[in-house]
Amino acid sequence: TQLLEQSPQFLSIQEGENLTVYCNSSSVFSSLQWYRQEPGEGPVLLVTVVTGGEVKKLKRLTFQFGDARKDSSLHITAAQPGDTGLYLCAGDPNDYKLSFGAGTTVTVRA
Amino acid sequence: DAGITQSPRHKVTETGTPVTLRCHQTENHRYMYWYRQDPGHGLRLIHYSYGVKDTDKGEVSDGYSVSRSKTEDFLLTLESATSSQTSVYFCAISGTGGKGYTFGSGTRLTVV
Repeated sequence: TQLLEQSPQFLSIQEGENLTVYCNSSSVFSSLQWYRQEPGEGPVLLVTVVTGGEVKKLKRLTFQFGDARKDSSLHITAAQPGDTGLYLCAGDPNDYKLSFGAGTTVTVRA
Repeated sequence: DAGITQSPRHKVTETGTPVTLRCHQTENHRYMYWYRQDPGHGLRLIHYSYGVKDTDKGEVSDGYSVSRSKTEDFLLTLESATSSQTSVYFCAISGTGGKGYTFGSGTRLTVV
């Protein structure tokens, strides 16, 4: 059983459309992180959210941490083919070991 | 100028043989981790280290051992490889524990 549940598992959209990926848990986290992974490479950290209700923006990507610090979402506006990849959320239920969700594979078609 | 490197990048080995994967960092980070990635399971923690000679088990540690004799090197050993250990293995480092991991590029291991 995954500590962090991501949905959807797969997402295929047309260039220019918007998308949202969700990351949910029954546990409270001191922080949540989002990573993007491309084929043949390791995950790369996009953002860390630490405060309940926090919203962070990274160009066309908007990350939100739930008020209760149990969930998070990633919203991409006007998706581009370069946004294609595996998006992973991760949280630290204890102080120094991250648990990862199973990931959402995003495909943006040109 | 990558701060973390894994070797080898690819390996094919036979069932029952021991295999050692290496993770090397140049960032002088305290924490090092070994994860495996399998379809549908995401990244699962095998073992981690919080200092030289200080290691502990993760959620999928059976059949694996680790050693860290220097800050910069973290070795993962499959004591007797099985087909269920066919996977992509990632090493990660962190200076602060549960935040801001930097991952290596991974080792694709196939056990035949």
